[in-house]
Amino acid sequence: DAGVTQSPTHLIKTRGQHVTLRCSPISGHKSVSWYQQVLGQGPQFIFQYYEKEERGRGNFPDRFSARQFPNYSSELNVNALLLGDSALYLCASSLGPGAHAGYTFGSGTRLTVV
Amino acid sequence: AQKITQTQPGMFVQEKEAVTLDCTYDTSDPSYGLFWYKQPSSGEMIFLIYQGSYDQQNATEGRYSLNFQKARKSANLVISASQLGDSAMYFCAMREDNNNAGNMLTFGGGTRLMVKP
Repeated sequence: DAGVTQSPTHLIKTRGQHVTLRCSPISGHKSVSWYQQVLGQGPQFIFQYYEKEERGRGNFPDRFSARQFPNYSSELNVNALLLGDSALYLCASSLGPGAHAGYTFGSGTRLTVV
Repeated sequence: AQKITQTQPGMFVQEKEAVTLDCTYDTSDPSYGLFWYKQPSSGEMIFLIYQGSYDQQNATEGRYSLNFQKARKSANLVISASQLGDSAMYFCAMREDNNNAGNMLTFGGGTRLMVKP
């Protein structure tokens, strides 16, 4: 079975541009979460989606948005990119938001803003 | 206050020896889960072990065990018989089951483990 798939793997953007990152969860998983990991730090929660609805949002500005599609894949959009948005963006999928749901992470998209 | 604290930025261990990575947490939620992940240089977060707040016994998964001390709010990871491939960043994370943010994970700052041959 395929794991969590993220694309692209690497990306270089210029300040002010926008970017779209994509995530395909494990087959059968209906929940997708997004995390930002700045170099040298632990991941920070951005969003969680379940059954196409937003179930949680972290402390990120409105420049960050996401959505989940009927096939449970997800996109993370970031507008008006800043240098500080340079990070590894990780997607995690799980069966659902239940208390004992496990999480499987993808390999991430490494975004560099110049 | 930090919800997850990992006080060891870096640690060395000799190959084949055991090592303990520290993690303390802070929550008022009676129901929570604690996770350890390994992150090699490739970036992927690899799940190692899980401990639920109501679990009576410490979790074990192969060479990994979790020393769960609920009263002290600590959840240290013990790796036995270290291997060169264990060299990586290790993250402790917590999920609080009664918050309003779905099942988000809160991560610590990580510990870089280096295994010496």
